[in-house]
Amino acid sequence: DTEVTQTPKHLVMGMTNKKSLKCEQHMGHRAMYWYKQKAKKPPELMFVYSYEKLSINESVPSRFSPECPNSSLLNLHLHALQPEDSALYLCASSRGKEAFFGQGTRLTVV
Amino acid sequence: GESVGLHLPTLSVQEGDNSIINCAYSNSASDYFIWYKQESGKGPQFIIDIRSNMDKRQGQRVTVLLNKTVKHLSLQIAATQPGDSAVYFCAETSGTYKYIFGTGTRLKVLA
Repeated sequence: DTEVTQTPKHLVMGMTNKKSLKCEQHMGHRAMYWYKQKAKKPPELMFVYSYEKLSINESVPSRFSPECPNSSLLNLHLHALQPEDSALYLCASSRGKEAFFGQGTRLTVV
Repeated sequence: GESVGLHLPTLSVQEGDNSIINCAYSNSASDYFIWYKQESGKGPQFIIDIRSNMDKRQGQRVTVLLNKTVKHLSLQIAATQPGDSAVYFCAETSGTYKYIFGTGTRLKVLA
């Protein structure tokens, strides 16, 4: 199994909603990542978890709240988002330096 | 600040020709580089990687070249096929879990 699985694939939410993005991998990778990607731009790092502990937060606004319940799961909790937060949210995992990405969640904030 | 960038935002090649996609990086401490392929609506797909102690690595139809002297990375695709059409990103890391992506090059394969 070399997959990083993200759900949902698409999400439309209002600015007052609370929603969560989910990511799962069963490759035994101990580092997991959240990236944000706007159209025609490269992915931008948001958070890194290493051994289930938050190791990097790239000054992400608090309306994005990551959670790593166990070594296989990574969540991103969303609350009070803005329309400019609409983007493709990518999850990735790695054991060494080779990082594998999921297919992303296309988020639209209305 | 540190950055990884690309010289050509769009590259059009004839089917069957070889493609060369370039990337410049500025962090001399970077010790690992990856090329990703991203198709429309999908996540980045790992293509090939190279460590800083190497200057060339070959895969199936792809070759990555690393020139540390001028901080330059390239991806060569042999016999380019329509399925190679995508956006290609280089990414670098110095081992701190921070993968910095370049701006991307769109490869268009002409029939």
